[in-house]
Amino acid sequence: EAQVTQNPRYLITVTGKKLTVTCSQNMNHEYMSWYRQDPGLGLRQIYYSMNVEVTDKGDVPEGYKVSRKEKRNFPLILESPSPNQTSLYFCASSSPPNYEQYFGPGTRLTVT
Amino acid sequence: AQSVSQHNHHVILSEAASLELGCNYSYGGTVNLFWYVQYPGQHLQLLLKYFSGDPLVKGIKGFEAEFIKSKFSFNLRKPSVQWSDTAEYFCAVNSYSGNTPLVFGKGTRLSVIA
Repeated sequence: EAQVTQNPRYLITVTGKKLTVTCSQNMNHEYMSWYRQDPGLGLRQIYYSMNVEVTDKGDVPEGYKVSRKEKRNFPLILESPSPNQTSLYFCASSSPPNYEQYFGPGTRLTVT
Repeated sequence: AQSVSQHNHHVILSEAASLELGCNYSYGGTVNLFWYVQYPGQHLQLLLKYFSGDPLVKGIKGFEAEFIKSKFSFNLRKPSVQWSDTAEYFCAVNSYSGNTPLVFGKGTRLSVIA
Protein backbone atom coordinates (compact mmCIF):
# COMPACT_ATOMS: atom_id res chain seq x y z
CA GLU A 1 0.00 0.00 0.00
CA ALA A 2 1.32 3.42 -0.99
CA GLN A 3 1.84 5.47 2.12
CA VAL A 4 3.80 8.00 4.10
CA THR A 5 4.63 6.93 7.63
CA GLN A 6 5.75 9.05 10.55
CA ASN A 7 7.08 8.11 13.95
CA PRO A 8 6.34 8.73 16.67
CA ARG A 9 2.69 9.74 16.39
CA TYR A 10 2.69 11.44 19.77
CA LEU A 11 5.60 12.85 21.70
CA ILE A 12 5.85 14.82 24.93
CA THR A 13 9.30 16.13 25.72
CA VAL A 14 11.08 18.83 27.69
CA THR A 15 12.77 21.99 26.52
CA GLY A 16 16.24 21.41 25.12
CA LYS A 17 16.10 17.65 24.71
CA LYS A 18 17.03 16.79 21.13
CA LEU A 19 14.48 14.76 19.20
CA THR A 20 13.97 13.31 15.75
CA VAL A 21 10.71 12.63 13.97
CA THR A 22 11.09 10.11 11.18
CA CYS A 23 9.27 10.15 7.86
CA SER A 24 9.34 7.45 5.25
CA GLN A 25 7.53 6.97 1.93
CA ASN A 26 7.29 3.89 -0.27
CA MET A 27 6.22 5.58 -3.51
CA ASN A 28 9.69 6.46 -4.82
CA HIS A 29 8.73 10.13 -4.68
CA GLU A 30 11.42 12.70 -5.31
CA TYR A 31 9.87 15.56 -3.37
CA MET A 32 9.37 15.47 0.40
CA SER A 33 8.44 18.18 2.83
CA TRP A 34 7.58 18.93 6.44
CA TYR A 35 4.73 21.11 7.63
CA ARG A 36 3.51 22.26 10.99
CA GLN A 37 -0.15 22.89 11.63
CA ASP A 38 -1.27 25.38 14.24
CA PRO A 39 -4.81 26.60 14.97
CA GLY A 40 -5.73 29.61 12.85
CA LEU A 41 -2.48 29.45 10.88
CA GLY A 42 -3.14 26.49 8.61
CA LEU A 43 -0.18 24.50 7.36
CA ARG A 44 3.17 26.15 7.10
CA GLN A 45 6.09 24.54 5.37
CA ILE A 46 9.21 24.01 7.46
CA TYR A 47 11.65 22.41 5.01
CA TYR A 48 11.43 20.61 1.72
CA SER A 49 13.65 18.40 -0.39
CA MET A 50 13.54 18.10 -4.16
CA ASN A 51 15.73 15.01 -4.15
CA VAL A 52 18.47 13.16 -2.27
CA GLU A 53 20.98 15.54 -0.70
CA VAL A 54 18.92 18.56 -1.82
CA THR A 55 17.05 20.42 0.92
CA ASP A 56 15.74 23.95 1.24
CA LYS A 57 14.03 26.14 3.78
CA GLY A 58 10.31 26.66 3.76
CA ASP A 59 8.40 29.42 5.50
CA VAL A 60 9.27 28.56 9.12
CA PRO A 61 12.64 26.77 9.26
CA GLU A 62 14.01 28.29 12.48
CA GLY A 63 14.76 25.68 15.12
CA TYR A 64 14.57 22.73 12.75
CA LYS A 65 16.98 20.64 10.71
CA VAL A 66 16.41 18.00 8.07
CA SER A 67 18.47 15.56 6.07
CA ARG A 68 17.82 13.55 2.90
CA LYS A 69 20.41 10.82 2.64
CA GLU A 70 18.03 8.34 1.03
CA LYS A 71 15.12 8.95 -1.28
CA ARG A 72 12.54 7.32 0.98
CA ASN A 73 13.46 9.02 4.29
CA PHE A 74 13.26 12.63 5.40
CA PRO A 75 13.72 13.00 9.17
CA LEU A 76 12.93 16.22 11.02
CA ILE A 77 15.38 17.11 13.79
CA LEU A 78 14.78 19.50 16.65
CA GLU A 79 18.20 20.07 18.21
CA SER A 80 16.89 22.06 21.17
CA PRO A 81 13.10 22.02 21.25
CA SER A 82 11.24 24.94 22.78
CA PRO A 83 7.59 25.28 23.84
CA ASN A 84 6.75 27.33 20.73
CA GLN A 85 7.47 24.21 18.69
CA THR A 86 4.50 22.47 20.26
CA SER A 87 2.45 21.65 17.20
CA LEU A 88 1.08 19.02 14.88
CA TYR A 89 3.65 18.02 12.27
CA PHE A 90 2.97 16.46 8.88
CA CYS A 91 5.35 14.93 6.42
CA ALA A 92 4.37 14.79 2.75
CA SER A 93 5.79 13.40 -0.47
CA SER A 94 5.09 13.93 -4.15
CA SER A 95 6.53 13.55 -7.63
CA PRO A 96 6.31 15.13 -11.06
CA PRO A 97 4.50 16.11 -13.10
CA ASN A 98 2.09 17.90 -10.79
CA TYR A 99 3.45 17.24 -7.34
CA GLU A 100 0.18 16.13 -5.78
CA GLN A 101 1.16 15.65 -2.16
CA TYR A 102 0.51 12.58 -0.04
CA PHE A 103 0.48 13.22 3.67
CA GLY A 104 1.59 11.15 6.61
CA PRO A 105 -0.67 10.63 9.64
CA GLY A 106 0.88 13.43 11.67
CA THR A 107 2.99 13.71 14.81
CA ARG A 108 1.61 15.65 17.75
CA LEU A 109 4.53 17.16 19.62
CA THR A 110 4.30 18.82 23.02
CA VAL A 111 7.34 20.58 24.45
CA THR A 112 7.09 21.52 28.13
CA ALA B 1 5.38 34.82 -3.86
CA GLN B 2 2.33 32.62 -3.97
CA SER B 3 -0.42 33.03 -1.42
CA VAL B 4 -3.84 31.52 -0.82
CA SER B 5 -6.79 33.18 0.89
CA GLN B 6 -9.72 31.29 2.31
CA HIS B 7 -12.42 33.75 3.19
CA ASN B 8 -14.33 31.81 5.79
CA HIS B 9 -12.71 30.73 9.02
CA HIS B 10 -15.67 28.75 10.33
CA VAL B 11 -18.85 27.79 8.53
CA ILE B 12 -21.84 26.22 10.27
CA LEU B 13 -24.52 24.56 8.16
CA SER B 14 -27.50 22.36 8.70
CA GLU B 15 -27.63 18.98 7.04
CA ALA B 16 -28.83 19.15 3.41
CA ALA B 17 -27.76 22.78 3.06
CA SER B 18 -25.57 23.73 0.11
CA LEU B 19 -21.93 24.55 0.65
CA GLU B 20 -19.56 26.94 -1.04
CA LEU B 21 -16.12 27.65 0.40
CA GLY B 22 -14.13 30.44 -1.14
CA CYS B 23 -10.50 30.22 -2.22
CA ASN B 24 -8.47 32.86 -3.99
CA TYR B 25 -4.84 32.60 -4.87
CA SER B 26 -2.10 34.97 -5.87
CA TYR B 27 0.41 33.77 -8.43
CA GLY B 28 1.63 35.17 -11.70
CA GLY B 29 1.82 32.00 -13.71
CA THR B 30 -0.07 28.81 -14.49
CA VAL B 31 -1.02 26.86 -11.40
CA ASN B 32 -2.13 23.53 -10.03
CA LEU B 33 -4.95 23.82 -7.49
CA PHE B 34 -5.98 21.44 -4.75
CA TRP B 35 -8.55 21.05 -2.04
CA TYR B 36 -7.64 18.88 0.92
CA VAL B 37 -9.89 17.76 3.77
CA GLN B 38 -8.88 16.94 7.32
CA TYR B 39 -11.43 15.03 9.38
CA PRO B 40 -11.14 15.39 13.16
CA GLY B 41 -7.99 13.70 14.40
CA GLN B 42 -6.90 12.59 10.95
CA HIS B 43 -4.36 13.59 8.36
CA LEU B 44 -5.01 15.52 5.18
CA GLN B 45 -6.67 13.77 2.30
CA LEU B 46 -7.02 15.00 -1.25
CA LEU B 47 -10.58 15.98 -2.16
CA LEU B 48 -9.97 17.13 -5.70
CA LYS B 49 -7.39 18.76 -7.93
CA TYR B 50 -7.16 20.90 -11.02
CA PHE B 51 -4.19 20.72 -13.37
CA SER B 52 -5.63 21.70 -16.76
CA GLY B 53 -8.64 21.21 -19.01
CA ASP B 54 -12.25 21.44 -17.84
CA PRO B 55 -12.33 24.11 -15.12
CA LEU B 56 -15.12 22.30 -13.29
CA VAL B 57 -13.57 19.38 -11.44
CA LYS B 58 -15.33 16.72 -9.48
CA GLY B 59 -13.84 15.06 -6.47
CA ILE B 60 -14.74 12.46 -3.91
CA LYS B 61 -17.86 12.44 -1.74
CA GLY B 62 -19.87 14.68 -4.06
CA PHE B 63 -17.57 17.70 -3.89
CA GLU B 64 -16.71 19.82 -6.88
CA ALA B 65 -14.72 22.97 -7.51
CA GLU B 66 -14.62 25.51 -10.29
CA PHE B 67 -11.47 27.22 -11.47
CA ILE B 68 -12.17 30.77 -12.64
CA LYS B 69 -8.90 32.05 -14.01
CA SER B 70 -10.04 35.66 -14.36
CA LYS B 71 -10.92 35.77 -10.67
CA PHE B 72 -7.96 33.70 -9.45
CA SER B 73 -10.50 31.58 -7.65
CA PHE B 74 -11.07 27.89 -6.97
CA ASN B 75 -14.21 27.66 -4.85
CA LEU B 76 -15.33 24.35 -3.38
CA ARG B 77 -19.00 23.35 -3.58
CA LYS B 78 -21.32 20.61 -2.50
CA PRO B 79 -25.07 20.73 -3.16
CA SER B 80 -26.14 18.97 0.04
CA VAL B 81 -23.86 18.51 3.03
CA GLN B 82 -23.99 15.69 5.52
CA TRP B 83 -23.00 15.51 9.17
CA SER B 84 -19.98 13.43 8.09
CA ASP B 85 -18.65 16.40 6.10
CA THR B 86 -17.72 18.10 9.37
CA ALA B 87 -14.00 18.72 8.89
CA GLU B 88 -11.41 21.34 8.08
CA TYR B 89 -10.89 22.18 4.41
CA PHE B 90 -7.70 23.53 2.93
CA CYS B 91 -7.12 25.08 -0.47
CA ALA B 92 -3.58 24.83 -1.88
CA VAL B 93 -1.67 25.96 -4.94
CA ASN B 94 1.66 25.34 -6.62
CA SER B 95 3.11 26.28 -9.96
CA TYR B 96 2.04 24.18 -12.94
CA SER B 97 5.53 22.81 -13.35
CA GLY B 98 5.48 21.72 -9.73
CA ASN B 99 8.82 23.28 -8.93
CA THR B 100 7.49 25.57 -6.24
CA PRO B 101 6.38 24.44 -2.81
CA LEU B 102 2.70 23.79 -2.22
CA VAL B 103 1.20 26.80 -0.46
CA PHE B 104 -1.85 26.30 1.74
CA GLY B 105 -4.60 28.60 2.85
CA LYS B 106 -5.34 28.86 6.55
CA GLY B 107 -8.25 26.49 6.30
CA THR B 108 -12.00 26.67 6.78
CA ARG B 109 -13.66 24.70 9.52
CA LEU B 110 -17.02 23.28 8.50
CA SER B 111 -19.47 22.19 11.17
CA VAL B 112 -22.59 20.41 9.95
CA ILE B 113 -25.41 20.17 12.46
CA ALA B 114 -28.41 17.89 12.37
